[in-house]
Amino acid sequence: EVQLVESGGGLVQPGRSLRLSCTGSGFIFADYAVSWVRQAPGKGLEWLGFIKSETYGGTTEYAASVRGRFTISRDDSRGIAYLHMNSLKTDDTAVYYCTRTGHWGQGTLVTVSS
Amino acid sequence: DIQMTQSPSSLSASVGDRVTITCRASQDIRNDLGWYQQRPGRAPKGLIYAVSGLQPGVPSRFSGSGSGTEFTLTISSLQPEDFATYYCLQHNNYPYTFGQGTKLEIK
Repeated sequence: EVQLVESGGGLVQPGRSLRLSCTGSGFIFADYAVSWVRQAPGKGLEWLGFIKSETYGGTTEYAASVRGRFTISRDDSRGIAYLHMNSLKTDDTAVYYCTRTGHWGQGTLVTVSS
Repeated sequence: DIQMTQSPSSLSASVGDRVTITCRASQDIRNDLGWYQQRPGRAPKGLIYAVSGLQPGVPSRFSGSGSGTEFTLTISSLQPEDFATYYCLQHNNYPYTFGQGTKLEIK
């Protein structure tokens, strides 16, 4: 069974950094691109970016709202994708999901507040 | 960026009804469109890929159609578990973009 599990969320002060992890199981992690999507409280879904598989160069793309502050990376040997978030703002408060072609994790809540 | 506009934003319907949700793209996205369902308090779930392909395990009462700039999600006979919010997502051009969502409520 395909599973994606996010971790690393929590309460963080504005301006600080946080790294989220997305651990995949039940499939060959290296074969798939992984996307990150977030949902602010009471709002819709916002696509943040993704990382292609190494077969396709492992390149990344980002939404304008996070480009330059957020970075996606992957460690295929461990089956994990990461979302590195810098210079966090209160507007970044959301549930963060990782996804892979139709499969979603359960999400991890990030709260940015002083 | 490609704008995805869903209509309606909300919809009230009864069990057994047939409902259609529309998603319009601001430019041609060919067939690079998926639909997602999100029940309250839950993570989204993939329903349809490439406009009309059903994700494994998704009931056949769900169907998708369209091409270019206009797409529809149809539920042929609503079941109680279908009351949720539905989103379209275009993956033709970066950045990928979601529609704003359609909340389907029980009448």
